[in-house]
Amino acid sequence: EPEVTQTPSHQVTQMGQEVILRCVPISNHLYFYWYRQILGQKVEFLVSFYNNEISEKSEIFDDQFSVERPDGSNFTLKIRSTKLEDSAMYFCASSGTGINEKLFFGSGTQLSVL
Amino acid sequence: LAKTTQPISMDSYEGQEVNITCSHNNIATNDYITWYQQFPSQGPRFIIQGYKTKVTNEVASLFIPADRKSSTLSLPRVSLSDTAVYYCLVGLRRGGDDKIIFGKGTRLHILP
Repeated sequence: EPEVTQTPSHQVTQMGQEVILRCVPISNHLYFYWYRQILGQKVEFLVSFYNNEISEKSEIFDDQFSVERPDGSNFTLKIRSTKLEDSAMYFCASSGTGINEKLFFGSGTQLSVL
Repeated sequence: LAKTTQPISMDSYEGQEVNITCSHNNIATNDYITWYQQFPSQGPRFIIQGYKTKVTNEVASLFIPADRKSSTLSLPRVSLSDTAVYYCLVGLRRGGDDKIIFGKGTRLHILP
């Protein structure tokens, strides 16, 4: 089965630093998502991306966050100035072109902000 | 987006059939019902999706009554490896207009 790939698997950073989380979605997919999950809590929607622009975002996705699809294969999430509360597992997901197509999730990047 | 309500947790034993019910009273006409499974430290994984009546695949069955205000995920003969969190999602994903929200899910614990 095709896979969504995320790198790195773990990222440790200092508070206030910028981090970029990377994802390679499934090659023929057109819809891309970032979610996060704080330890022991539910999976939280951050942003969806389609046709090179954000289609939906949550209240969590403030000005400190940005997404990009720089080269047609990678999909990145940037956090400009990390806070302690940004520590979480970040999941990238993608889906195909049809209505109600399932999401394929990557294995996540565990971000630890110290 | 339709709000969903699921039990917070369930326990069962190996070899049993497990049924997890999700309530979605304000489901819209075009909404589909989708279930995902999540193991610790992994991303959610699609299990099954349906619109009405019954859907079955190699992993599970999904039962949806005529009023569609609830749905039941059925896992036949569970094993220890089925211990996971199960999420029920309701909504219609349209191109360029999707905000797929996960609820708190049901923590299923399978005992030997």
